[in-house]
Amino acid sequence: DQQVKQNSPSLSVQEGRISILNCDYTNSMFDYFLWYKKYPAEGPTFLISISSIKDKNEDGRFTVFLNKSAKHLSLHIVPSQPGDSAVYFCAASMDSNYQLIWGAGTKLIIKP
Amino acid sequence: NAGVTQTPKFRVLKTGQSMTLLCAQDMNHEYMYWYRQDPGMGLRLIHYSVGEGTTAKGEVPDGYNVSRLKKQNFLLGLESAAPSQTSVYFCASSPRLASTGELFFGEGSRLTVL
Repeated sequence: DQQVKQNSPSLSVQEGRISILNCDYTNSMFDYFLWYKKYPAEGPTFLISISSIKDKNEDGRFTVFLNKSAKHLSLHIVPSQPGDSAVYFCAASMDSNYQLIWGAGTKLIIKP
Repeated sequence: NAGVTQTPKFRVLKTGQSMTLLCAQDMNHEYMYWYRQDPGMGLRLIHYSVGEGTTAKGEVPDGYNVSRLKKQNFLLGLESAAPSQTSVYFCASSPRLASTGELFFGEGSRLTVL
């Protein structure tokens, strides 16, 4: 029973265009969401997060949108750069919980 | 600027053998975690620690033990390895609860159990 789902195993985007990575969740108790980025042979690194009291959070080229009614969040990368090629994980948590629930990841490939 | 360091990076074991994975962090973080990552799945929490001398079970603790004798170290042990424990293991640390702050990960340890 996957509570956090990333339904696209991979995504290919032209350099300079927008990349949109999607994540769906089933547990309405989740109140904090995070995106991590992972390069091969490295550990995941934190990218951006959003609290359930917001519907948008922006950090440079990265914007996360949260639609609570649809239980859906998305990560937008504009413009996409070759260095953005990586696996992106979304994760969710409940308040005061030690455990993050992770999606399976989406491999983003930026084509030159 | 080490951050989180895991040793060893690679290991091959035979079924029934034991081993210990070491995680060391130099950021003075209170919280430490051990995750495993399997193909097609998200990271799953094995055990975690909220401070020196404490440990707790995560989502998939069976077959693993942990210890946190020093604040900077978090050890993951496999007493009798099984092929189902073939995975990539990640250690992470954080200054706050994982749910509200970022985790800092090591590079991972790839374990193969034959």
